[in-house]
Amino acid sequence: QTVVTQEPSFSVSPGGTVTLTCGLSSGSVSTSYYPSWYQQTPGQAPRTLIYSTNTRSSGVPDRFSGSILGNKAALTITGAQADDESDYYCVLYMGSGSWVFGGGTKLTVL
Amino acid sequence: EVQLVQSGAEVKKPGESLKISCKGSGYSFTSYWIGWVRQMPGKGLEWMGIIYPGDSDTRYSPSFQGQVTISADKSISTAYLQWSSLKASDTAMYYCARTEMVNYYYYMDVWGKGTTVTVSS
Repeated sequence: QTVVTQEPSFSVSPGGTVTLTCGLSSGSVSTSYYPSWYQQTPGQAPRTLIYSTNTRSSGVPDRFSGSILGNKAALTITGAQADDESDYYCVLYMGSGSWVFGGGTKLTVL
Repeated sequence: EVQLVQSGAEVKKPGESLKISCKGSGYSFTSYWIGWVRQMPGKGLEWMGIIYPGDSDTRYSPSFQGQVTISADKSISTAYLQWSSLKASDTAMYYCARTEMVNYYYYMDVWGKGTTVTVSS
């Protein structure tokens, strides 16, 4: 079973920059996995941030960006704000209509 | 406005059956896949499976194959997730999500607010 890995937690100072990553237990993440990123605050449904590696969903501020860094997908938040404190999930497309979520990263802004 | 409206919270006993729903509006329901995602209490998101309401083509995660059934009624723009015999471990929040699956676009773009399912004796 494929495991998608994410940092369990991360912290960033207000105004700072943070990069969260999304890897595979075996192998490298490439654009062929069409990585997407979702933000979830407690008690709320997920919100789509980034899809197809680096395309921002409608209404998402440009301080959120996606990329491939080395062998992982990455979500970078530039100029972090207090309301960016959330859980962030990456999802990889495995082909044949199948996706796998990462375990999520809890981001603290302090 | 594109919306997915999910059915209300459910409290069930182990062994009971359940069918929860997700009604789409504001778009062509038969032109997009609908996926289901589980979130157990205090845990992360898990992809369960998807259905294409246009032809009922359905795919499941290996972890959920045989455990749940995904279906859709395109005449009323509604997708379903059902259990034939609930277990306490099915206690979770369940989200539906409109899912793009076309060339270069494979992601969930619109989410329902979720349905809480509690299974307890």
